[in-house]
Amino acid sequence: GENVEQHPSTLSVQEGDSAVIKCTYSDSASNYFPWYKQELGKGPQLIIDIRSNVGEKKDQRIAVTLNKTAKHFSLHITETQPEDSAVYFCAASRGQAGTALIFGKGTTLSVSS
Amino acid sequence: SQTIHQWPATLVQPVGSPLSLECTVEGTSNPNLYWYRQAAGRGLQLLFYSVGIGQISSEVPQNLSASRPQDRQFILSSKKLLLSDSGFYLCACGIFSYEQYFGPGTRLTVT
Repeated sequence: GENVEQHPSTLSVQEGDSAVIKCTYSDSASNYFPWYKQELGKGPQLIIDIRSNVGEKKDQRIAVTLNKTAKHFSLHITETQPEDSAVYFCAASRGQAGTALIFGKGTTLSVSS
Repeated sequence: SQTIHQWPATLVQPVGSPLSLECTVEGTSNPNLYWYRQAAGRGLQLLFYSVGIGQISSEVPQNLSASRPQDRQFILSSKKLLLSDSGFYLCACGIFSYEQYFGPGTRLTVT
């Protein structure tokens, strides 16, 4: 089955710096790759996703890149702010109805001002 | 857009007691529904998913069961809780084949 590895497990940056989180996956049939942000005590919030027919997607300060050949995808946050501090999860799935998302173990991002 | 409700928000139960967690969805019909568990400091593990009323698929055999009595209602149950059932339980809703949106979660502590 699918296995998703996520690195680093913790990441500390100064406000205004960029942050990059990387994930690798094992199932070549996976074609949907979302990223979630989870604040303490809350449910994960979908922040951006990418499908296998796209190499890069941007939404303001957030971008995701996908390399299907290497089976890895990354989250890039530019101009980080203290409110970006949270746990970020990557996931992968085959994108079919009822298909599970397979999650990485998460990255705790701390942005200090 | 859809809204996902979960209750209770927190729950403390003794070992051996029964469990019932409820998830309801507003703003959509015929959603795919999921139960995930998140242990402290770990990722999310899929427990059950449902593509329709009465249709339940189990991903991990364990002390829990799920039911979907109505289109927008998903229930997670146990007859006898174990200490290892403690965790953060999340209900998710998928409208199309891809996106999944999570509810606020239930924090369960088994003592």
